[in-house]
Amino acid sequence: AQKVTQAQTEISVVEKEDVTLDCVYETRDTTYYLFWYKQPPSGELVFLIRRNSFDEQNEISGRYSWNFQKSTSSFNFTITASQVVDSAVYFCALSEAGGAQKLVFGQGTRLTINP
Amino acid sequence: KAGVTQTPRYLIKTRGQQVTLSCSPISGHRSVSWYQQTPGQGLQFLFEYFSETQRNKGNFPGRFSGRQFSNSRSEMNVSTLELGDSALYLCASSLPRESSYNEQFFGPGTRLTVL
Repeated sequence: AQKVTQAQTEISVVEKEDVTLDCVYETRDTTYYLFWYKQPPSGELVFLIRRNSFDEQNEISGRYSWNFQKSTSSFNFTITASQVVDSAVYFCALSEAGGAQKLVFGQGTRLTINP
Repeated sequence: KAGVTQTPRYLIKTRGQQVTLSCSPISGHRSVSWYQQTPGQGLQFLFEYFSETQRNKGNFPGRFSGRQFSNSRSEMNVSTLELGDSALYLCASSLPRESSYNEQFFGPGTRLTVL
């Protein structure tokens, strides 16, 4: 069975600090996809990134970066120079290959950026 | 391009009643998935519809059902409501499975309260 663990329930930092959100996953599939979503107070899940299991290259998008390590089954998310607008709940998710329509989510990490 | 829309946004029902929630996907998206979000269980997959057929189903009782229409709009129904059905119900749409980019795009959700 697939499982995603986000051990950090809540994180609180001061603006401009760097923060890393951890994600560890379990799957027996050799091909799979990993995702990060952001959920602001409005409730809508906002897609941030998708990574397939064959692509272990790290990715950077502005202040966001993702570190995928297949050897440790981890897909961590770092926000550099955090801003108040980054405050939200962040979810890591996993799906089987070709089955991105069924996501298994972690419990989420509530990130609070204090001014 | 309009996003995923869900109606109603808020709903209050009493135990034993039934409820129908509606989801209109992004234009061109043919897959619609439903998720339930509760503080205790987190985000859980309910079911997915593609071309008017249920393609995947999560581990929920038969009281939870859905359907998809020829225009890809989807409805989910919960019969004999229980207090534990109080949740945020999220709908997500995506392109057909054959597409290389099959991220799910989420709507704002319907918040159901069962009294």
